[in-house]
Amino acid sequence: GQQVMQIPQYQHVQEGEDFTTYCNSSTTLSNIQWYKQRPGGHPVFLIQLVKSGEVKKQKRLTFQFGEAKKNSSLHITATQTTDVGTYFCLSAGGTSYGKLTFGQGTILTVHP
Amino acid sequence: EPEVTQTPSHQVTQMGQEVILRCVPISNHLYFYWYRQILGQKVEFLVSFYNNEISEKSEIFDDQFSVERPDGSNFTLKIRSTKLEDSAMYFCASSEVGAGVGSPLHFGNGTRLTVT
Repeated sequence: GQQVMQIPQYQHVQEGEDFTTYCNSSTTLSNIQWYKQRPGGHPVFLIQLVKSGEVKKQKRLTFQFGEAKKNSSLHITATQTTDVGTYFCLSAGGTSYGKLTFGQGTILTVHP
Repeated sequence: EPEVTQTPSHQVTQMGQEVILRCVPISNHLYFYWYRQILGQKVEFLVSFYNNEISEKSEIFDDQFSVERPDGSNFTLKIRSTKLEDSAMYFCASSEVGAGVGSPLHFGNGTRLTVT
């Protein structure tokens, strides 16, 4: 079955430092989605990547989809305390009825 | 903005009891999902539902679990005989079309199930 590995599991940064989390799949993905879950909250959709090599930006967040569509990354520039939370990737194999698998998540802590 | 709503927010039950978790997906969405999250762990896929039937289910979703769309608005998850290890946050989600073809999941706030 489809496996999605996400690293690192935890990341502690000082406010202003950069942060990156990576998702790697054992199979080619049709698309990948990224979600953020604040402590005590529910996952909230951030973005979707579809095309090979795609790069998308949302303010300080940069999302990339690998050329082979097997890996993806989320990079935050100059973290702020509001970035605290768990970041998950969600992968789907390409069918409407696919088993949608979250990565393990990266828990980001930002120290002021 | 339309929301996925879940009730109750917290459910406490004794081991062996049946529980029903309720969800009202966003009205024009066609795909519905249940996920669970054990405290401090990843969000785990349980089941997806489309066109009044299960589309996919995970290994977690055994015979103790069932889902139903009893009317045009509600989507329920039933656990027949709860076990201690069923204690978790259960999230309902819906999407306009399948997330596999590019539709974001919209999550409810979750139901925290505590089995004692």
